[in-house]
Amino acid sequence: AQSVSQHNHHVILSEAASLELGCNYSYGGTVNLFWYVQYPGQHLQLLLKYFSGDPLVKGIKGFEAEFIKSKFSFNLRKPSVQWSDTAEYFCAQGAGSYQLTFGKGTKLSVIP
Amino acid sequence: NAGVTQTPKFRILKIGQSMTLQCAQDMNHNYMYWYRQDPGMGLKLIYYSVGAGITDKGEVPNGYNVSRSTTEDFPLRLELAAPSQTSVYFCASRLGQGARNTEAFFGQGTRLTVV
Repeated sequence: AQSVSQHNHHVILSEAASLELGCNYSYGGTVNLFWYVQYPGQHLQLLLKYFSGDPLVKGIKGFEAEFIKSKFSFNLRKPSVQWSDTAEYFCAQGAGSYQLTFGKGTKLSVIP
Repeated sequence: NAGVTQTPKFRILKIGQSMTLQCAQDMNHNYMYWYRQDPGMGLKLIYYSVGAGITDKGEVPNGYNVSRSTTEDFPLRLELAAPSQTSVYFCASRLGQGARNTEAFFGQGTRLTVV
């Protein structure tokens, strides 16, 4: 069964610090990868997605992710975080015709 | 454009009671999903559907049932509520068939407490 691993449970950063959240996926075939964000008390919203092509994907709000097939990784990055980025971030993998598997999430706390 | 609508937003149930969590989408999506979210555990798939009349179990189906009589609606039924079902429930939909690389759209969630 496919699985998605997120390395950090909770990350605390000061404003303007750079962010990198790790994500590893297990499925070895064609993959579709996603990062979702969940702001406090809200539902999940899509940040960015990767299906094919340029492995560096740009998303909303200045986020980007890099797909590295050899490492089965899809890490999320942002050069300079803001207090408003405080949220929980989920990496997800689509495989087969319907499956959509999520990691356990990483909580990001940004200190003003 | 409503997207995915879940009702109710909050509910408190007593042990042994039953209830239905409603989910409706207006995007003509084929695939629909029910997840539960527990702190530190991410999202676990309860049931999913790839089209009207077709449902299947996910990772944690025990204690739940679903139906999909129309493309739009995908209700989740709890027959005998137990404290272990205290969680936040999210419904999601996805275009799916013929376009598997599409993202899922989520509802606002239902926070259920079983006491």
